[in-house]
Amino acid sequence: KAGVTQTPRYLIKTRGQQVTLSCSPISGHRSVSWYQQTPGQGLQFLFEYFSETQRNKGNFPGRFSGRQFSNSRSEMNVSTLELGDSALYLCASSLGQGYHEQYFGPGTRLTVT
Amino acid sequence: LAKTTQPISMDSYEGQEVNITCSHNNIATNDYITWYQQFPSQGPRFIIQGYKTKVTNEVASLFIPADRKSSTLSLPRVSLSDTAVYYCLVGDPDSGSARQLTFGSGTQLTVLP
Repeated sequence: KAGVTQTPRYLIKTRGQQVTLSCSPISGHRSVSWYQQTPGQGLQFLFEYFSETQRNKGNFPGRFSGRQFSNSRSEMNVSTLELGDSALYLCASSLGQGYHEQYFGPGTRLTVT
Repeated sequence: LAKTTQPISMDSYEGQEVNITCSHNNIATNDYITWYQQFPSQGPRFIIQGYKTKVTNEVASLFIPADRKSSTLSLPRVSLSDTAVYYCLVGDPDSGSARQLTFGSGTQLTVLP
């Protein structure tokens, strides 16, 4: 069974631009969560989607948004990029609601210059 | 989610058993304990999850005392490839309002030859 895939793997953007990251969960998984990882802040929860509905949201500004499609694939968007948005963005999927066992993708490394 | 405390780093030698302890004094009745492993520039990988006593899988064992205020991840006969950061998480995986994962700073395990 294929794992969680994220595209693109690497991205370089300029301040003020916007970016869209994509995540394809493991087949059959309906929950997708997004995390931001930086050396200073560690792993921080962004939001979780289940059955196309946002179930939880972390403490991030409104510039960070996401959505989930009917096939469980998810996208997250960051508008008006800031230098501090440079991070590894991780997507994780699980079979149902809850986090008994989450499977993480390899992440998208975003660099904002 | 319950706050967790882990050692920042640990060193071990190949072939030894490694025990990483996590303290979670304010664990709640419905909370589970979950451990993840993360290599540089990769997403975390689920290792094991437990509620009480002992859980064992092909990778590790998880020991949880009766008061559940701490837990110990045991890695048998570690190899160089076990060098990674290990995260302990505590929370109710079925809670609709707390499904986000809050990772602590983790424990950097370094396995030496």
